[in-house]
Amino acid sequence: EAGVAQSPRYKIIEKRQSVAFWCNPISGHATLYWYQQILGQGPKLLIQFQNNGVVDDSQLPKDRFSAERLKGVDSTLKIQPAKLEDSAVYLCASSPGTPPYEQYFGPGTRLTVT
Amino acid sequence: DQQVKQNSPSLSVQEGRISILNCDYTNSMFDYFLWYKKYPAEGPTFLISISSIKDKNEDGRFTVFLNKSAKHLSLHIVPSQPGDSAVYFCAASASSNTGKLIFGQGTTLQVKP
Repeated sequence: EAGVAQSPRYKIIEKRQSVAFWCNPISGHATLYWYQQILGQGPKLLIQFQNNGVVDDSQLPKDRFSAERLKGVDSTLKIQPAKLEDSAVYLCASSPGTPPYEQYFGPGTRLTVT
Repeated sequence: DQQVKQNSPSLSVQEGRISILNCDYTNSMFDYFLWYKKYPAEGPTFLISISSIKDKNEDGRFTVFLNKSAKHLSLHIVPSQPGDSAVYFCAASASSNTGKLIFGQGTTLQVKP
């Protein structure tokens, strides 16, 4: 079974530029998550999709972050414009959406904003 | 408000000995608890979980204990192996909250040969 795929793996941009990350979840997983992990901290949920609908985006900085999951499969996360504090690893995860709510993570995208 | 806390940033043990990683939580609505392991440059990997209706779950060398009255859980690794060296995250979810996971800050485990 193929795991969660993410690209790119690394990205360096200057502040005020825009960037986009792509995620392909495990086949058949209805639930998809985007997390931000800052060095030394645990992953923090940014947005949760159920199929192509948003379930929770309470922690997403909507003035600069946006995400979509067209057709309920692949998803993209965009930052525009980027700030220095957005430097982090962005993790995508998918889940069948049933207890114990085990989530399967991709390798992440390490973003550096200079 | 940190609902899930791992108060020990790091732990070092000798190969073959027991590793005990601890986690505390504040939200009594959590009904599932999970442990993830993370190697550098990789995403977290699911290790073991426990439901709030149990107090122990075992999978090979890994055992998770849950003390609901103390809102505390621990992960025991016996015997510890050098390949267990990684960052371990505790996470919790509430069925009433769409299964969203709340993660602790992580504990870096180093197992010395």
